[in-house]
Amino acid sequence: EAQVTQNPRYLITVTGKKLTVTCSQNMNHEYMSWYRQDPGLGLRQIYYSMNVEVTDKGDVPEGYKVSRKEKRNFPLILESPSPNQTSLYFCASSLGGSLSLKAFFGQGTRLTVV
Amino acid sequence: QKEVEQNSGPLSVPEGAIASLNCTYSDRGSQSFFWYRQYSGKSPELIMFIYSNGDKEDGRFTAQLNKASQYVSLLIRDSQPSDSATYLCAVKTSYDKVIFGPGTSLSVIP
Repeated sequence: EAQVTQNPRYLITVTGKKLTVTCSQNMNHEYMSWYRQDPGLGLRQIYYSMNVEVTDKGDVPEGYKVSRKEKRNFPLILESPSPNQTSLYFCASSLGGSLSLKAFFGQGTRLTVV
Repeated sequence: QKEVEQNSGPLSVPEGAIASLNCTYSDRGSQSFFWYRQYSGKSPELIMFIYSNGDKEDGRFTAQLNKASQYVSLLIRDSQPSDSATYLCAVKTSYDKVIFGPGTSLSVIP
């Protein structure tokens, strides 16, 4: 089954404690991206990757890091989480290019930073 | 002005009616336009995409694009309670950024 898998689904952590949210896709997609979703603000792109070892900033990259060492995996790293990073996070993958918005989304990770 | 705007709703329509959802965008050079549906607590799923002016139909859904006026709309015919969800408009801009609107909440009343 074609899918994008995120882990964990729920996470409560404390300010400053480094965390990683994993994302994996099994569709051999080149394009992967991370979004955060906040009430009234919609989905905002954090980082995206057009292929292995190629990453670029989205609209709200501050406080986040990503890596793309393998095509299937695109982890999101919060080196020092802060309460304003409490949000619902989605990983997405797609074929890329003009099809980069025909994205398949993961189940979401609800992160709370206290 | 926000780059992609949608009425937040909620938009309420009776079962069987036509639901009309609208989206405006600011970047005149935008090329790709997508509609996603998101049920409460779930991830977005793509339902329609359109690249060129005019209408695109898929079952009960029709996407309409007017580049001159910079708006894209989604019509849902014969609305069903299962259509109750938040609908997200997404635009790929000329500067290669993906911008989502805040979404419109639709409620179909049986």
